[in-house]
Amino acid sequence: GNSVTQMEGPVTLSEEAFLTINCTYTATGYPSLFWYVQYPGEGLQLLLKATKADDKGSNKGFEATYRKETTSFHLEKGSVQVSDSAVYFCALIANTGNQFYFGTGTSLTVIP
Amino acid sequence: KAGVTQTPRYLIKTRGQQVTLSCSPISGHRSVSWYQQTPGQGLQFLFEYFSETQRNKGNFPGRFSGRQFSNSRSEMNVSTLELGDSALYLCASRPGERGGLGTQYFGPGTRLLVL
Repeated sequence: GNSVTQMEGPVTLSEEAFLTINCTYTATGYPSLFWYVQYPGEGLQLLLKATKADDKGSNKGFEATYRKETTSFHLEKGSVQVSDSAVYFCALIANTGNQFYFGTGTSLTVIP
Repeated sequence: KAGVTQTPRYLIKTRGQQVTLSCSPISGHRSVSWYQQTPGQGLQFLFEYFSETQRNKGNFPGRFSGRQFSNSRSEMNVSTLELGDSALYLCASRPGERGGLGTQYFGPGTRLLVL
């Protein structure tokens, strides 16, 4: 079956620190992979995506590379800001399917 | 293009009542999915509608139901509310094609409190 596993949170970092949030997946076929972000009191927003192996999605300084050999899609940012404090969700959809599968979310707090 | 809209944004009900939530997808999107988000259970998939038909269903009791209209707007209904139904209900829309070609876009959610 399809599933997504994210690292447990919460994660607390100082401003300008390096961020990695791990995400691994299990899927049939060749899924598309996504990172969504949820700011307090809001819905989920698409942060970035990658639709095939070795693709790198990037947005707002965040990056994630689709690694088929390790079935991973880790989220990284070189220098976090206080405004990056949010909950981050990794997700997939199989290329033959029509249902999204989400990880449990990782809460990030960035302190000045 | 306008985003996904959900109404109402906040709702307070009492146990035993029923509630209907509404979602208007992005124009041209034919797929609408509903999720329940709680601190304890995280984000849980309720169901997906595509062209007025339920295409996928999560593991929720029959008290949770939905429908989609010909203009792709969707409603979700919860009958005989329980305290545990208090949650943020999120709606998401996408064009509807299979696979990752149709990225899912979320609305702001309806926060339901059951007293």
